[in-house]
Amino acid sequence: IAGITQAPTSQILAAGRRMTLRCTQDMRHNAMYWYRQDLGLGLRLIHYSNTAGTTGKGEVPDGYSVSRANTDDFPLTLASAVPSQTSVYFCASSDGSGVYGYTFGSGTRLTVV
Amino acid sequence: KQEVTQIPAALSVPEGENLVLNCSFTDSAIYNLQWFRQDPGKGLTSLLLIQSSQREQTSGRLNASLDKSSGRSTLYIAASQPGDSATYLCAVDLTNAGKSTFGDGTTLTVKP
Repeated sequence: IAGITQAPTSQILAAGRRMTLRCTQDMRHNAMYWYRQDLGLGLRLIHYSNTAGTTGKGEVPDGYSVSRANTDDFPLTLASAVPSQTSVYFCASSDGSGVYGYTFGSGTRLTVV
Repeated sequence: KQEVTQIPAALSVPEGENLVLNCSFTDSAIYNLQWFRQDPGKGLTSLLLIQSSQREQTSGRLNASLDKSSGRSTLYIAASQPGDSATYLCAVDLTNAGKSTFGDGTTLTVKP
């Protein structure tokens, strides 16, 4: 089934540790995005990539980094996790045409303690 | 900066009722608007997308309309069912650059 796979589904992480959230899509979409969803704050864009080899900063990029080595994968790395990064993280993609909109992954629930 | 507002934050209706969910945005120069459904603990599922040039889109019991001049979109759900219970979010894309602004959502409960 075509779509987006995120891993892990959930994770408890000690503060100060490094963590990479994985995101893979099989739809050959050009654009990919990372959002975090927090109660009362809604969905906020962390980083995005309009095509392989390029990335850009979203609304809340501090403490996060991304890479886009190929079309299918868009990992999100927390270099040194802090409790304020406790959130649900969603990866999304689009073909960039604006016609079909976004497809979202199932999310990663991250707790930093 | 685009702001997207969804009111009410929560809505409870009896099964079978027709209902309307609202989405307001401040910048009318939008590229498209997308409605999503989110079940508890799950990701977002796309329901309907309306292009800037369109007035409405329909899928089954769902109908989404767009009025750019007033900065509003509505999601109409006909003959609601308990399975429609979820949070509904709208997302407004200004430039097709992938930086959509999301509303906080309306949590719908349909009582049997």
